Amino acid sequence: AQSVAQPEDQVNVAEGNPLTVKCTYSVSGNPYLFWYVQYPNRGLQFLLKYITGDNLVKGSYGFEAEFNKSQTSFHLKKPSALVSDSALYFCAVRANRGSTLGRLYFGRGTQLTVWP
Amino acid sequence: DTAVSQTPKYLVTQMGNDKSIKCEQNLGHDTMYWYKQDSKKFLKIMFSYNNKELIINETVPNRFSPKSPDKAHLNLHINSLELGDSAVYFCASSQGSWGSLSGNTIYFGEGSWLTVV
Repeated sequence: AQSVAQPEDQVNVAEGNPLTVKCTYSVSGNPYLFWYVQYPNRGLQFLLKYITGDNLVKGSYGFEAEFNKSQTSFHLKKPSALVSDSALYFCAVRANRGSTLGRLYFGRGTQLTVWP
Repeated sequence: DTAVSQTPKYLVTQMGNDKSIKCEQNLGHDTMYWYKQDSKKFLKIMFSYNNKELIINETVPNRFSPKSPDKAHLNLHINSLELGDSAVYFCASSQGSWGSLSGNTIYFGEGSWLTVV
């Protein structure tokens, strides 16, 4: 079965410091991994994805994520956090085969708060 | 130039009523979805259509009926609304035929906040 775990409900970081939002996954076959961000009362915005190739993926707003196959992780990172980064972040995995082909499974979300 | 647009954004209605949420995408995508986000922010797929054909139908009560008149539209009709239906419903779309979907990005609308009283 496909699943995503975001072990931290909340991440707090000071502005200017690096941030990491953790994600681990379980999927049959090769994973397709995604990060989305949700601002209050808004929809989900796509940040970045890993399909194949370079394990370090760069996305929108200065975010990047590193795919680690051995640890089945896809942590989201940013070198220097901004107050405006405060939002709810979702990791998601999609199976590329099997009965759950096409379904996007989301983690439960991590609330990131960046304080000034 | 809204890519995935859904209406209404906010909907407050009484139990037992029937309501619809409309969704349109102007991205030229072949596949559309409805996702539900509950009060704890958990997101789960409800339905998916590929070129107007129902592909995914998760365990959703029969009171929920999606309709796709063409590949750019996917509407959600809910009969006999219950308190537990209160949630945010997201429409989404992605490119590609069903077999090639997995790597394609899903783009979400802004959500429809449904409150049943």
